[in-house]
Amino acid sequence: NAGVMQNPRHLVRRRGQEARLRCSPVKGHSHVYWYRQLPEEGLKFMVYLQKENIIDESGMPKERFSAEFPKEGPSILRIQQVVRGDSAAYFCASSQNRNTEAFFGQGTRLTVV
Amino acid sequence: TQLLEQSPQFLSIQEGENLTVYCNSSSVFSSLQWYRQEPGEGPVLLVTVVTGGEVKKLKRLTFQFGDARKDSSLHITAAQPGDTGLYLCAATTPDSNYQLIWGAGTKLIIKP
Repeated sequence: NAGVMQNPRHLVRRRGQEARLRCSPVKGHSHVYWYRQLPEEGLKFMVYLQKENIIDESGMPKERFSAEFPKEGPSILRIQQVVRGDSAAYFCASSQNRNTEAFFGQGTRLTVV
Repeated sequence: TQLLEQSPQFLSIQEGENLTVYCNSSSVFSSLQWYRQEPGEGPVLLVTVVTGGEVKKLKRLTFQFGDARKDSSLHITAAQPGDTGLYLCAATTPDSNYQLIWGAGTKLIIKP
């Protein structure tokens, strides 16, 4: 079985551009979580989605960031008008149920130049 | 703000030695998880502990959850170069059983 697939693995964007990060969960998983990891820091929760619904976006900046998990297709984390401070590794995890083990993808490393 | 503090931040030892790394907080957690992360990869779950005082073993790794469920330790016996990596602890709180709160990690290097 394929694990959580994230793409691209590396993404370079100029300041002001848009970044789109994609996450395909483990087959059969309907719960997706996005985390951000800055260098030398732990992961920080951003958003929790279930198919077509945002359950908790308390960790996501209110401006420029949005996330979706459509009925068909991968979950998307979208960052508009990127700034240097958005440079980080973004990890997606998925789980079968709300409180079962979450499996992590390999991450997307975003670099804003 | 609930914080998980991991210590030491960095540890470099010789193959065959034993080591212990710690994860501490002033908050009580519902569960605590240990992950290992390789460079350029995502975290991989090693173990979950939920009961105060619980001890779990995974080959040469021993995980303990504090009696008060505020802290945890990871002990590695006879460390091997393959144990090299970043060890992260993460926890869930009674308020949220899905949102993980993470420590900054212990970077472990085992020299052959």
